[in-house]
Amino acid sequence: DTGVSQDPRHKITKRGQNVTFRCDPISEHNRLYWYRQTLGQGPEFLTYFQNEAQLEKSRLLSDRFSAERPKGSFSTLEIQRTEQGDSAMYLCASSLGPGGMDTQYFGPGTRLTVL
Amino acid sequence: AQSVAQPEDQVNVAEGNPLTVKCTYSVSGNPYLFWYVQYPNRGLQFLLKYITGDNLVKGSYGFEAEFNKSQTSFHLKKPSALVSDSALYFCAVRDGRDDKIIFGKGTRLHILP
Repeated sequence: DTGVSQDPRHKITKRGQNVTFRCDPISEHNRLYWYRQTLGQGPEFLTYFQNEAQLEKSRLLSDRFSAERPKGSFSTLEIQRTEQGDSAMYLCASSLGPGGMDTQYFGPGTRLTVL
Repeated sequence: AQSVAQPEDQVNVAEGNPLTVKCTYSVSGNPYLFWYVQYPNRGLQFLLKYITGDNLVKGSYGFEAEFNKSQTSFHLKKPSALVSDSALYFCAVRDGRDDKIIFGKGTRLHILP
């Protein structure tokens, strides 16, 4: 499978715990995006990378959230001290490069449930 | 700031009938417009996009969309609906000067057999 992959697919955690998600983009894609999707809503932009550089972060990304893409390939999204409001689907997408015409291809998502 | 509106939460269509899922947008620059489909417990699948050129864009699974600049709309259409088209559809817009995509809230499409 050469699409975007995400791990784990599901994560259940207790409030206050830290969680980390991984995204592997399509191999030749330079851009990697993270989104959050809650029930009944469309995906909301969180942050994105051009290679290893994090170029933009949404206001939604509080200081408990951190994302990295250390070698410009896979990316991790960590949430510290999780809260019930963090329960959502976390989606990763990748695109070939800069330019608004590039299509973003999405992974299957990681569903986080905070108890 | 860019925005997307999908005015219908749900659309019901009988199998074999044509379908339309509506989308309107607002951007300050040139719009790049996208449609994605989401099946239960799955990520988003790309259907089609409008960047420039012909206002009628053809995409995957027989879907097409018409860009209307004066009405700032980008409605998704299909001539003959299939039960397997039942899913959640998202319209998205990207301002040509920005790097992120803004999604609508989604429209749930039910195709009735």
